[in-house]
Amino acid sequence: EPEVTQTPSHQVTQMGQEVILRCVPISNHLYFYWYRQILGQKVEFLVSFYNNEISEKSEIFDDQFSVERPDGSNFTLKIRSTKLEDSAMYFCASSTPRTFNEQYFGPGTRLTVT
Amino acid sequence: KNEVEQSPQNLTAQEGEFITINCSYSVGISALHWLQQHPGGGIVSLFMLSSGKKKHGRLIATINIQEKHSSLHITASHPRDSAVYICAVRVPYTDKLIFGTGTRLQVFP
Repeated sequence: EPEVTQTPSHQVTQMGQEVILRCVPISNHLYFYWYRQILGQKVEFLVSFYNNEISEKSEIFDDQFSVERPDGSNFTLKIRSTKLEDSAMYFCASSTPRTFNEQYFGPGTRLTVT
Repeated sequence: KNEVEQSPQNLTAQEGEFITINCSYSVGISALHWLQQHPGGGIVSLFMLSSGKKKHGRLIATINIQEKHSSLHITASHPRDSAVYICAVRVPYTDKLIFGTGTRLQVFP
C-alpha cells in the first residue's frame, strides 16, 4: 500500500541552524501539508501546499518557515534559524483532489533543537 | 475554549471490553477524522466521516452533525489497541485540520 515517507526520523540541531525536513508524498497526491506536535501537546496545522504554492498557512508558519516541492516528488519544510521552541514532531501529509478530505500522514520527524 | 474537545483524556480497559471515545466540536465542519497515534509518534488515519457511521473491523465511528458530536467505538479491545486516539475536524473552505488533545487508551491483558 502506498505511504507517505519522511526523512530523517530524528534530527538534532543547534539553535540558530537551518534544518530541512523531507517528505515523499504518495505519488498521485496533489495536496500536501505540514503539521507539528510539541511534546505533550496537540497536533497543529502549519501549512498546506497545492499547485506549487502555499494555499493556506497558520500563524505559526512565520518567515522562519518555508516549503517547496523541488523535484516533483519531495516536499520539504525548511526552518531557517531554529529556536528551542521549534523542538517538536513534524508530520507531513498528502491527499488527492478526489479524496480531498482524506489525508495520509507520514511517520513524522522528531526535531530536537539544543 | 478548544474548538475540539475529547473525552475521556485517559482510558484504561481490560482486554475484551467495549471502548467508547467521544469528540465534541464547536465549529461547522466539512469532515471529521479519527486518527491513531502510536507510542513511537506515527499517525494513522482510521476514519473520515461527514455523516452517519463507518465500520472497519472492530472499530466503529459515528457522527451526529446536528449535535456536533462523534464517537469512536472499539469492540473486543486488545492490548494492541493501546494508543492515543485523536479527533480532528476540517473547517469548510479551509485546508487545515483542527485537532483535539487526544485520548490515551491502555488495554491490559
